[in-house]
Amino acid sequence: DTAVSQTPKYLVTQMGNDKSIKCEQNLGHDTMYWYKQDSKKFLKIMFSYNNKELIINETVPNRFSPKSPDKAHLNLHINSLELGDSAVYFCASSQAGTGETQYFGPGTRLLVL
Amino acid sequence: GESVGLHLPTLSVQEGDNSIINCAYSNSASDYFIWYKQESGKGPQFIIDIRSNMDKRQGQRVTVLLNKTVKHLSLQIAATQPGDSAVYFCAENSGGSNYKLTFGKGTLLTVNP
Repeated sequence: DTAVSQTPKYLVTQMGNDKSIKCEQNLGHDTMYWYKQDSKKFLKIMFSYNNKELIINETVPNRFSPKSPDKAHLNLHINSLELGDSAVYFCASSQAGTGETQYFGPGTRLLVL
Repeated sequence: GESVGLHLPTLSVQEGDNSIINCAYSNSASDYFIWYKQESGKGPQFIIDIRSNMDKRQGQRVTVLLNKTVKHLSLQIAATQPGDSAVYFCAENSGGSNYKLTFGKGTLLTVNP
């Protein structure tokens, strides 16, 4: 069973389009995250939700809008995609948030042309 | 500012040798540290963690050492195998109500058969 799953795995799109990435975890965790990994493998947190409430927003452009319909799902919608949005986006989850291990999904590879 | 960095961006070892991957952190308030392994095309995978009230923790073939005096973290892999080839990240959590993990830059470990 996949603990943290993301769809799609690959996403190729044109500049200016709007796209969504979905994430689901079946671990019963309270907290979910979105990370961006650039071409140099640097991982940086974007958002964190705890029990459907936003708790971290790391100065991400407002073209990025996370949505958590329930605590098992955290989706990421991106408006007006730009070339610089090309990256791998990882979803993660943890039990309580602070001082707890985060478990990562397989990633969504976004390429904006 | 707060940062986590690695001394060695790449490490090449022979199969069967021991590997040591180092990490420096700058936030003395950090109280929880994690090592992740990321294989090509996959998400980061939890390896081992340590809390700030410990200075050593052992797992299967892996040991994490924490030196709070010099703010240094290391991951030791015994009898390195080709399957250990990956990028290794250290991450820190500064505790309190902060749910955020700050990741280091990553070290690419290559195991030569």
